[in-house]
Parts: sequence; structure tokens; C-alpha cells
Amino acid sequence: ILNVEQSPQSLHVQEGDSTNFTCSFPSSNFYALHWYRWETAKSPEALFVMTLNGDEKKKGRISATLNTKEGYSYLYIKGSQPEDSATYLCAFFLFYKLSFGAGTTVTVRA
Amino acid sequence: DTGVSQDPRHKITKRGQNVTFRCDPISEHNRLYWYRQTLGQGPEFLTYFQNEAQLEKSRLLSDRFSAERPKGSFSTLEIQRTEQGDSAMYLCASSLWEPHEQFFGPGTRLTVL
Repeated sequence: ILNVEQSPQSLHVQEGDSTNFTCSFPSSNFYALHWYRWETAKSPEALFVMTLNGDEKKKGRISATLNTKEGYSYLYIKGSQPEDSATYLCAFFLFYKLSFGAGTTVTVRA
Repeated sequence: DTGVSQDPRHKITKRGQNVTFRCDPISEHNRLYWYRQTLGQGPEFLTYFQNEAQLEKSRLLSDRFSAERPKGSFSTLEIQRTEQGDSAMYLCASSLWEPHEQFFGPGTRLTVL
């Protein structure tokens, strides 16, 4: 069983503020790290697939960094909007399956 | 819509009954996955198909669970003699090849009374 941890479990952000949260994963046998956004009553939506140490990816106001040597990834949301409210899941990909963290639930207050 | 679809979206059943869920992946995707998510946890891997071949099953998948993917298209997940502990969200995903993103369906929420 791969140990993938996310922190914090939840956070509340004021509209317009920026925020970030962490995913930690095993640093050995790294293949890929996925980030997903899961809004209530919808399908989990892929944000990023990250494979290279030092990689940084961006999608609109959301970006992510990856450190495979120390086993962590950060997800950043710049200028949070109410539509960013969701649970953000990271998942460690190895041998064709994803091992998910428990997620960070973000609530953006208007 | 060409995304992953799952049916039904919700299922309420009594303990001991059998249930079957269906997943229709994106048509050109040859990989199909089933996950289960319980409250406060992330999704947990259950099983994986490459075309019609079931290549891996998690230890979470007891003998009461069986999954099929005839002809490498849609997939079904059957739970026999349901137990209250089976109550969860069952998610299906598909992908082209590793480690590309997996496209998830909306899930089937199972409640066992």
C-alpha cells in the first residue's frame, strides 16, 4: 500500500486570496503524480500529470510543482474564486494504478 | 457527450441483495479502472482492464465482487450478497496509456441498508 498524504484536510479561503496545499508521496520508484479536482456531484477532473523532478505546470490560475527526490508536490491557486471550491486529490501513479490521498477540500468564501 | 458514463448514479439496496453497475468508457480508451471511495478517504483502486483482459485485482476485491469487460468495451461490476460495509461511491475511469490522465465517470453511489 502506497502512502500518499495531503495536507491540510480542508481550508477556507476568502475570494481573491491565494492558497496552496501539499501532497507527499513515496520518493522511491517514482513514475508520475496526478492532480484531480472533484466538485460535488461531478466527475473528478484531471488537472495535471507530472512526471519530471522540478516540473511546474499551470492551468489558468492553478499551478503545481513537483519534487520527486523528497517526495512532495504543491498545488497553488492564485486569486481564488468561488468556482474553485472543490476537493483536490493527488494520486501517485505506479504499475497502471493510482493511489490517492484523502484530498484537500477548498471552500472559497465570497 | 463522449465522456465516461456510469449507470445507475444511485443505488439503494438491502443487505444480502446482489447489485450490478455499468461503466461505458471513452470509446478509444483501451484501459479501464474501477475505484471505490468511502467517506473521508480518497478513491481506492479495485481492478484494472486492458482491453478485455482483467490484469489486476486489489485485495479489497473480495470473492463477492466480480468485474467483467466483454469485448473490451463497457464494463460491469457486480457485488453479490451486499454488506453494509459495501456502501461507497464506485468510480470508473478510462485512459489511453500510462501514465496519461484517467478520465473518470460521475460514479455510482451505493447505499446498503
